Amino acid sequence: AQTVTQSQPEMSVQEAETVTLSCTYDTSESDYYLFWYKQPPSRQMILVIRQEAYKQQNATENRFSVNFQKAAKSFSLKISDSQLGDAAMYFCAYGEETSGSRLTFGEGTQLTVNP
Amino acid sequence: KAGVTQTPRYLIKTRGQQVTLSCSPISGHRSVSWYQQTPGQGLQFLFEYFSETQRNKGNFPGRFSGRQFSNSRSEMNVSTLELGDSALYLCASSLEPYSGNTIYFGEGSWLTVV
Repeated sequence: AQTVTQSQPEMSVQEAETVTLSCTYDTSESDYYLFWYKQPPSRQMILVIRQEAYKQQNATENRFSVNFQKAAKSFSLKISDSQLGDAAMYFCAYGEETSGSRLTFGEGTQLTVNP
Repeated sequence: KAGVTQTPRYLIKTRGQQVTLSCSPISGHRSVSWYQQTPGQGLQFLFEYFSETQRNKGNFPGRFSGRQFSNSRSEMNVSTLELGDSALYLCASSLEPYSGNTIYFGEGSWLTVV
């Protein structure tokens, strides 16, 4: 079974600084998708960024970017110019072409942004 | 456009009772999936429905069931509630059952079993 591991239960960053959240996954598939979701105190999961495994170029969305290392099965999230509103639980997730919209989530990383 | 809507948002049930949670997907979305979130087990996939058919099922006992209606709205039911069923139940929708589609989540239904 596919597994997703986030080894950092908690991280903190100063406002305006940069922070990187780590994620590794295990799969034998070649076609898959990776996601970072943010879960603020409201508990609604919000998609931050997604990466298709067949694309070598790392995805970026404004201040959010990923470092996708397919061979190493690593998918880290970099948040630049951190803002107070970035404080949340961040989940790394994995989805396969053949598994519909079923996602496998990591344990999550609680990000604190200090003013 | 309205997001994924889940009702009720909060509920308290007694051990042994049953509960039904409802999810209305984003308009036009035909795939609905359900997740259970607990502090101990994290986010776990329950099941996925598309065109009123269950397409995927997670590793949960038969007490957990669901269905989807012709308008894509979905319900999940948990019978004979146990204390361990206390959790946040999240519903998600997408256009089709395909990981390449963006999956949108609702705010969840908080279930407390006492």
